[in-house]
Amino acid sequence: KAGVTQTPRYLIKTRGQQVTLSCSPISGHRSVSWYQQTPGQGLQFLFEYFSETQRNKGNFPGRFSGRQFSNSRSEMNVSTLELGDSALYLCASALSFPGQGSETQYFGPGTRLLVL
Amino acid sequence: DQQVKQNSPSLSVQEGRISILNCDYTNSMFDYFLWYKKYPAEGPTFLISISSIKDKNEDGRFTVFLNKSAKHLSLHIVPSQPGDSAVYFCAASHDSNYQLIWGAGTKLIIKP
Repeated sequence: KAGVTQTPRYLIKTRGQQVTLSCSPISGHRSVSWYQQTPGQGLQFLFEYFSETQRNKGNFPGRFSGRQFSNSRSEMNVSTLELGDSALYLCASALSFPGQGSETQYFGPGTRLLVL
Repeated sequence: DQQVKQNSPSLSVQEGRISILNCDYTNSMFDYFLWYKKYPAEGPTFLISISSIKDKNEDGRFTVFLNKSAKHLSLHIVPSQPGDSAVYFCAASHDSNYQLIWGAGTKLIIKP
Protein backbone atom coordinates (compact mmCIF):
# COMPACT_ATOMS: atom_id res chain seq x y z
CA LYS A 1 0.00 0.00 0.00
CA ALA A 2 1.47 3.37 -1.00
CA GLY A 3 2.22 5.80 1.81
CA VAL A 4 1.32 9.45 2.15
CA THR A 5 2.83 11.52 -0.65
CA GLN A 6 3.48 15.23 -0.65
CA THR A 7 4.42 17.48 -3.51
CA PRO A 8 6.58 19.34 -4.02
CA ARG A 9 9.30 18.18 -1.66
CA TYR A 10 11.18 21.47 -1.72
CA LEU A 11 10.07 24.95 -2.57
CA ILE A 12 11.66 28.38 -2.57
CA LYS A 13 9.45 31.44 -2.64
CA THR A 14 9.83 35.14 -1.92
CA ARG A 15 7.95 37.27 0.55
CA GLY A 16 4.49 38.25 -0.60
CA GLN A 17 4.04 35.29 -2.91
CA GLN A 18 1.55 32.53 -2.34
CA VAL A 19 2.10 28.78 -2.34
CA THR A 20 0.01 25.64 -2.68
CA LEU A 21 1.14 22.33 -1.23
CA SER A 22 -0.43 19.01 -2.09
CA CYS A 23 -0.99 15.84 -0.09
CA SER A 24 -2.27 12.45 -1.22
CA PRO A 25 -3.31 10.26 1.73
CA ILE A 26 -3.07 6.53 2.01
CA SER A 27 -5.78 4.86 0.00
CA GLY A 28 -8.92 4.54 2.10
CA HIS A 29 -7.90 7.19 4.60
CA ARG A 30 -10.43 9.98 4.91
CA SER A 31 -8.72 12.22 7.47
CA VAL A 32 -5.90 14.53 6.44
CA SER A 33 -4.09 16.78 8.89
CA TRP A 34 -1.52 19.45 8.19
CA TYR A 35 1.31 20.50 10.50
CA GLN A 36 4.06 23.07 10.47
CA GLN A 37 7.38 22.05 11.93
CA THR A 38 10.03 24.59 12.83
CA PRO A 39 13.19 24.02 14.88
CA GLY A 40 12.42 24.02 18.59
CA GLN A 41 8.67 24.33 18.08
CA GLY A 42 7.75 20.78 17.36
CA LEU A 43 4.70 20.12 15.26
CA GLN A 44 2.19 22.93 15.18
CA PHE A 45 -1.27 21.81 14.11
CA LEU A 46 -2.71 23.73 11.18
CA PHE A 47 -5.96 21.99 10.33
CA GLU A 48 -7.62 18.66 9.79
CA TYR A 49 -10.04 17.64 7.08
CA PHE A 50 -12.40 14.71 7.00
CA SER A 51 -14.66 13.94 4.08
CA GLU A 52 -14.04 17.38 2.53
CA THR A 53 -14.95 19.22 5.75
CA GLN A 54 -12.56 21.08 7.98
CA ARG A 55 -13.03 19.41 11.33
CA ASN A 56 -10.33 21.10 13.41
CA LYS A 57 -8.25 24.23 13.04
CA GLY A 58 -5.11 25.37 14.83
CA ASN A 59 -4.07 28.88 15.80
CA PHE A 60 -2.72 30.13 12.51
CA PRO A 61 -3.67 33.33 10.69
CA GLY A 62 -6.16 33.33 7.87
CA ARG A 63 -3.31 33.38 5.34
CA PHE A 64 -3.19 29.62 5.90
CA SER A 65 -6.04 27.74 4.31
CA GLY A 66 -6.74 24.28 3.04
CA ARG A 67 -9.24 22.08 1.37
CA GLN A 68 -9.94 18.44 0.75
CA PHE A 69 -11.29 16.90 -2.40
CA SER A 70 -13.74 14.07 -2.83
CA ASN A 71 -10.88 11.62 -3.37
CA SER A 72 -9.45 12.70 0.03
CA ARG A 73 -6.49 14.46 -1.53
CA SER A 74 -5.79 17.72 0.21
CA GLU A 75 -4.15 21.01 -0.59
CA MET A 76 -2.82 23.69 1.69
CA ASN A 77 -2.42 27.28 0.61
CA VAL A 78 -0.40 30.06 2.19
CA SER A 79 -0.93 33.54 0.83
CA THR A 80 1.24 36.62 1.28
CA LEU A 81 4.22 34.59 2.43
CA GLU A 82 6.36 35.87 5.29
CA LEU A 83 9.92 34.94 6.21
CA GLY A 84 8.60 33.16 9.30
CA ASP A 85 6.62 30.77 7.14
CA SER A 86 9.83 28.97 6.27
CA ALA A 87 9.30 25.51 7.72
CA LEU A 88 8.69 21.87 7.02
CA TYR A 89 5.02 21.29 6.26
CA LEU A 90 3.85 17.81 7.09
CA CYS A 91 0.71 16.09 6.01
CA ALA A 92 -0.68 13.08 7.84
CA SER A 93 -3.55 10.78 7.02
CA ALA A 94 -5.69 8.52 9.15
CA LEU A 95 -8.74 6.33 8.67
CA SER A 96 -10.98 8.45 10.84
CA PHE A 97 -10.18 10.29 14.06
CA PRO A 98 -6.40 10.60 14.37
CA GLY A 99 -6.28 11.04 18.12
CA GLN A 100 -8.78 8.39 19.09
CA GLY A 101 -7.90 5.02 20.54
CA SER A 102 -5.57 3.11 18.31
CA GLU A 103 -6.16 5.40 15.36
CA THR A 104 -2.73 6.58 14.37
CA GLN A 105 -1.60 9.09 11.82
CA TYR A 106 0.71 8.24 8.97
CA PHE A 107 2.93 11.06 7.86
CA GLY A 108 4.28 12.03 4.50
CA PRO A 109 7.91 13.15 4.06
CA GLY A 110 6.94 16.81 4.16
CA THR A 111 7.43 19.83 1.95
CA ARG A 112 10.30 22.07 2.95
CA LEU A 113 9.39 25.67 2.20
CA LEU A 114 11.98 28.42 2.20
CA VAL A 115 10.78 32.00 2.01
CA LEU A 116 13.38 34.54 0.97
CA ASP B 1 0.45 28.02 26.00
CA GLN B 2 2.26 24.72 25.53
CA GLN B 3 -0.01 21.99 26.75
CA VAL B 4 2.53 19.26 25.99
CA LYS B 5 6.13 19.88 26.94
CA GLN B 6 9.30 18.00 26.24
CA ASN B 7 11.82 19.90 28.30
CA SER B 8 14.94 18.17 27.02
CA PRO B 9 15.80 19.28 23.49
CA SER B 10 18.41 16.53 23.26
CA LEU B 11 19.62 13.42 25.04
CA SER B 12 22.79 11.40 24.56
CA VAL B 13 22.91 7.74 25.65
CA GLN B 14 25.48 5.00 25.33
CA GLU B 15 24.55 2.08 23.08
CA GLY B 16 23.12 -0.79 25.12
CA ARG B 17 21.98 1.43 28.00
CA ILE B 18 18.47 2.64 28.74
CA SER B 19 17.12 5.80 27.11
CA ILE B 20 14.40 7.67 29.01
CA LEU B 21 12.52 10.41 27.25
CA ASN B 22 10.14 12.56 29.23
CA CYS B 23 6.98 14.45 28.45
CA ASP B 24 4.78 16.62 30.68
CA TYR B 25 1.29 17.87 29.99
CA THR B 26 -0.97 20.42 31.59
CA ASN B 27 -4.45 19.49 30.37
CA SER B 28 -6.03 16.93 32.68
CA MET B 29 -8.59 16.18 29.97
CA PHE B 30 -5.99 14.40 27.84
CA ASP B 31 -6.80 10.71 27.79
CA TYR B 32 -4.65 9.32 25.01
CA PHE B 33 -0.94 9.70 24.48
CA LEU B 34 1.34 8.74 21.63
CA TRP B 35 5.04 8.71 20.83
CA TYR B 36 6.35 9.26 17.34
CA LYS B 37 9.87 8.96 16.00
CA LYS B 38 11.27 11.12 13.24
CA TYR B 39 14.37 10.62 11.13
CA PRO B 40 15.81 13.51 9.09
CA ALA B 41 14.08 14.04 5.73
CA GLU B 42 11.23 11.72 6.72
CA GLY B 43 7.85 12.26 8.32
CA PRO B 44 7.25 11.07 11.89
CA THR B 45 6.29 7.43 12.34
CA PHE B 46 4.10 6.04 15.07
CA LEU B 47 5.97 4.25 17.82
CA ILE B 48 3.74 3.43 20.77
CA SER B 49 0.66 4.76 22.53
CA ILE B 50 -1.09 4.56 25.88
CA SER B 51 -4.61 5.19 27.06
CA SER B 52 -5.26 6.98 30.34
CA ILE B 53 -6.86 3.85 31.76
CA LYS B 54 -3.42 2.25 31.79
CA ASP B 55 -0.17 3.25 33.43
CA LYS B 56 2.15 1.18 31.29
CA ASN B 57 2.31 -0.15 27.75
CA GLU B 58 5.11 -2.25 26.39
CA ASP B 59 6.13 -3.13 22.84
CA GLY B 60 9.43 -4.91 22.49
CA ARG B 61 12.24 -2.60 23.54
CA PHE B 62 9.82 0.32 23.99
CA THR B 63 7.77 0.96 27.13
CA VAL B 64 5.65 3.98 27.85
CA PHE B 65 4.75 4.90 31.42
CA LEU B 66 1.95 7.24 32.35
CA ASN B 67 1.66 9.02 35.71
CA LYS B 68 -1.69 10.79 35.61
CA SER B 69 -1.36 12.45 38.99
CA ALA B 70 1.92 14.03 37.92
CA LYS B 71 0.69 14.62 34.35
CA HIS B 72 3.85 12.98 33.15
CA LEU B 73 4.71 10.28 30.69
CA SER B 74 7.97 8.73 29.73
CA LEU B 75 9.30 6.51 26.99
CA HIS B 76 11.90 3.90 27.91
CA ILE B 77 14.03 2.28 25.27
CA VAL B 78 16.12 -0.65 26.41
CA PRO B 79 18.61 -1.58 25.20
CA SER B 80 19.29 1.51 23.10
CA GLN B 81 20.56 0.88 19.59
CA PRO B 82 22.24 3.20 17.06
CA GLY B 83 19.11 3.08 14.87
CA ASP B 84 17.17 4.67 17.71
CA SER B 85 18.95 7.96 17.08
CA ALA B 86 16.12 10.24 15.98
CA VAL B 87 13.82 12.98 17.21
CA TYR B 88 11.04 11.71 19.45
CA PHE B 89 7.74 13.54 19.76
CA CYS B 90 5.05 12.93 22.31
CA ALA B 91 1.47 13.87 21.52
CA ALA B 92 -1.78 13.91 23.47
CA SER B 93 -5.47 14.10 22.73
CA HIS B 94 -8.82 14.06 24.48
CA ASP B 95 -12.10 12.73 23.24
CA SER B 96 -13.79 16.09 22.80
CA ASN B 97 -12.18 16.63 19.41
CA TYR B 98 -9.33 14.12 19.09
CA GLN B 99 -6.98 16.86 17.95
CA LEU B 100 -3.42 15.82 18.65
CA ILE B 101 -1.31 18.29 20.64
CA TRP B 102 2.40 17.79 20.12
CA GLY B 103 5.50 18.41 22.15
CA ALA B 104 8.56 20.13 20.68
CA GLY B 105 10.52 16.90 20.40
CA THR B 106 13.67 15.46 21.96
CA LYS B 107 16.64 14.55 19.82
CA LEU B 108 18.05 11.22 20.99
CA ILE B 109 21.65 10.41 20.12
CA ILE B 110 22.89 6.89 20.72
CA LYS B 111 26.67 6.77 21.06
CA PRO B 112 28.46 3.59 19.93
